[in-house]
Amino acid sequence: SQTIHQWPATLVQPVGSPLSLECTVEGTSNPNLYWYRQAAGRGLQLLFYSVGIGQISSEVPQNLSASRPQDRQFILSSKKLLLSDSGFYLCAWSPASTSPLHFGNGTRLTVT
Amino acid sequence: GQQLNQSPQSMFIQEGEDVSMNCTSSSIFNTWLWYKQDPGEGPVLLIALYKAGELTSNGRLTAQFGITRKDSFLNISASIPSDVGIYFCAGRGGGGGSNYKLTFGKGTLLTVNP
Repeated sequence: SQTIHQWPATLVQPVGSPLSLECTVEGTSNPNLYWYRQAAGRGLQLLFYSVGIGQISSEVPQNLSASRPQDRQFILSSKKLLLSDSGFYLCAWSPASTSPLHFGNGTRLTVT
Repeated sequence: GQQLNQSPQSMFIQEGEDVSMNCTSSSIFNTWLWYKQDPGEGPVLLIALYKAGELTSNGRLTAQFGITRKDSFLNISASIPSDVGIYFCAGRGGGGGSNYKLTFGKGTLLTVNP
């Protein structure tokens, strides 16, 4: 069966520090991978998606970037965090573009 | 872009009551999904709908894909305390390209009083 792992679960970082959140999927190959941010208002905002290694599409201009160095690894990064980057970050995968998404357990990021 | 209106925003019910929530769209969708999110965790897929008029159950949960393809509802029967959480609808349009991306509703927060 397929599983998705996301870490760390919680993170407190000062403004201006770098960020690296990692997500890996097991039990499948060539998944579609996604990064979402969930603000306190509950809405899910798509940040990045990837249909293959090295292929990243950005949905909104922001202070973040994503990379996919391996087939089942998706990384969310920032060189310098802003206060507004605080939030709940969710990684998700799907076997195909028309399939439902399956989410990880998220990372709670607090920028102080 | 596509937008989803999910209602109600929140519900407070007594254990044993039935619950109904719905989502409407200004655009036609080819897929409707319903997720549940527990506090501090990621959303979990409950039901997936792929055909207009489709009615699908998962235990005490029942969801339908509206005939107009612009709406969907989720019913929960005989609620229990563990039903507490945020329920999200999500829709996907057709035609390929950017339409394969999911659009999420803003969620319905369900509280069940024992």
